[in-house]
Amino acid sequence: NAGVIQTPRHKVTGKGQEATLWCEPISGHSAVFWYRQTIVQGLEFLTYFRNQAPIDDSGMPKERFSAQMPNQSHSTLKIQSTQPQDSAVYLCASSIDRGGDTQYFGPGTRLLVL
Amino acid sequence: SQLAEENSWALSVHEGESVTVNCSYKTSITALQWYRQKSGKGPAQLILIRSNEREKRNGRLRATLDTSSQSSSLSITATRCEDTAVYFCATDRNSNNRIFFGDGTQLVVKP
Repeated sequence: NAGVIQTPRHKVTGKGQEATLWCEPISGHSAVFWYRQTIVQGLEFLTYFRNQAPIDDSGMPKERFSAQMPNQSHSTLKIQSTQPQDSAVYLCASSIDRGGDTQYFGPGTRLLVL
Repeated sequence: SQLAEENSWALSVHEGESVTVNCSYKTSITALQWYRQKSGKGPAQLILIRSNEREKRNGRLRATLDTSSQSSSLSITATRCEDTAVYFCATDRNSNNRIFFGDGTQLVVKP
């Protein structure tokens, strides 16, 4: 079991460009979560899918951010027109079934917007 | 406002000493989880303690839960340099929707 896989591990974009981050959850896990982590804000919840359906996107910025889970084997987080304040580590986690279960995190994607 | 928060921003101990990280939370829960995040990695769960449990152990780790005071502690005995990490508590707010992380406590274990 390779654990949660996130690609790329590092991404540098210019201001205004689009960034797409990928997450492959652990096989058999039905819940997928996205978080953003910065020194200032700490670990922030963004959004949560269960059985590929969006359950809670209360943490997603209303503009420029979107997440999808087109199949059970991967989820994407897309940031349009990236801004320097989007620079952060984006973490993906999966759990077997419910949001209250143990979450298994990937290593994160470190996004730097210049 | 945070639904779960650790009571210390940072702690420092010497190798071999014991240390306790405390957490308080604000709502009813079904379980509380402790996670550890080492530099450059994602958080990893250490212990999940359910609301009907008062104590749970995992090797050198011991978690307690007091639902009356809405608090939990994570104790580490015989600390090692590799225990250096950020420790988070996380609660589920009595639902299975998702968990809510505290801000974390940075623990440094010095040789």
